[in-house]
Amino acid sequence: DSGVTQTPKHLITATGQRVTLRCSPRSGDLSVYWYQQSLDQGLQFLIQYYNGEERAKGNILERFSAQQFPDLHSELNLSSLELGDSALYFCASSVGSRNSDTQYFGPGTRLTVL
Amino acid sequence: SQQGEEDPQALSIQEGENATMNCSYKTSINNLQWYRQNSGRGLVHLILIRSNEREKHSGRLRVTLDTSKKSSSLLITASRAADTASYFCATDFYNQGGKLIFGQGTELSVKP
Repeated sequence: DSGVTQTPKHLITATGQRVTLRCSPRSGDLSVYWYQQSLDQGLQFLIQYYNGEERAKGNILERFSAQQFPDLHSELNLSSLELGDSALYFCASSVGSRNSDTQYFGPGTRLTVL
Repeated sequence: SQQGEEDPQALSIQEGENATMNCSYKTSINNLQWYRQNSGRGLVHLILIRSNEREKHSGRLRVTLDTSKKSSSLLITASRAADTASYFCATDFYNQGGKLIFGQGTELSVKP
């Protein structure tokens, strides 16, 4: 158990809908990361927040947005969902914001878009 | 696009044998990391090697880094059935926070 929690574990929804994925980082970690893992794209970095501020950005779609709240939990919002958004979404956390900080991954949320 | 390319894509060995996985990347890095993922679960950090290091050990793991060839290898010695998992290399970028770019991974199967 990494100490990172993600809810829900599974999510099934329809195209065009909007969903929110939630992540609670390990106690004391200030950075939260979001990754998408799919068969065709592999594991893709989406975005990093550090202490409430956006720190780094990957190829995150405009339909996707994230935020980190004052209590450091984070939410990833996915809207206008398409079939291709079906994937495992991982959250990770680390103590700091540097690339040498170990990232601890949560168990993931499996999103299925029908 | 993926920064890291891993080779082989799949590897099947017997318990007790050594497993070697390779990773190549395209741009300059600060650090290279290796992660393990058991089927459909979250990734677990294994080891980090800095760009100025050539070799690093952690238990049964040995990682090498050749920045001139932009490649790294992960050696697991005396493998166990519990080592069965996918292994990913991940590279970072200067001045881009904790952003990591993962390779496609090597799927290792260790048969008892």
